[in-house]
Amino acid sequence: SQKIEQNSEALNIQEGKTATLTCNYTNYSPAYLQWYRQDPGRGPVFLLLIRENEKEKRKERLKVTFDTTLKQSLFHITASQPADSATYLCALGTNAGKSTFGDGTTLTVKP
Amino acid sequence: DVKVTQSSRYLVKRTGEKVFLECVQDMDHENMFWYRQDPGLGLRLIYFSYDVKMKEKGDIPEGYSVSREKKERFSLILESASTNQTSMYLCASSSGGSHTDTQYFGPGTRLTVL
Repeated sequence: SQKIEQNSEALNIQEGKTATLTCNYTNYSPAYLQWYRQDPGRGPVFLLLIRENEKEKRKERLKVTFDTTLKQSLFHITASQPADSATYLCALGTNAGKSTFGDGTTLTVKP
Repeated sequence: DVKVTQSSRYLVKRTGEKVFLECVQDMDHENMFWYRQDPGLGLRLIYFSYDVKMKEKGDIPEGYSVSREKKERFSLILESASTNQTSMYLCASSSGGSHTDTQYFGPGTRLTVL
């Protein structure tokens, strides 16, 4: 059956370090993968999209990689700040326009 | 900026009541979605719509129905609310017509069924 796994439910790191979040999937052939940020009591907010034929995408302190052989995406936040604390969701998309979301990883950046 | 609004942030209803959750988007998006989000279960798709008057079941449609009479508005209906429908409900929209559709979410409605 299709499955999306995000590394751990919670990740705690020290301010200034790089946070690395993992999204693994099985039995999918996604056309693209997206990462969203969700703050408590709010809806998810889109951050980055990477297509199946792209290896890496960057946006300011964010970097996403996509390895369709390993069926894995890594999401990096460099020089992390307490304001980066949130839940991060990965979502696999198909050409039909529908996305399937992972359960999310809650990141806490300690000052 | 895309704006997706939901009719209520918090709602308390009684078992057996009919519940309407409304969602409106202002960007002329083709696609609209309803999800529920529960701790440990993530975001689960209830229903989605690719066009006015069109709807398709998602992963957990049981106990729900939807209505899309106008392009900008997508309603989720709980015909007879039950306690296991207590959850956070999130509406989203996307532009459609593309194979890289970013979804824009509303703020969510936290529904409690007593």
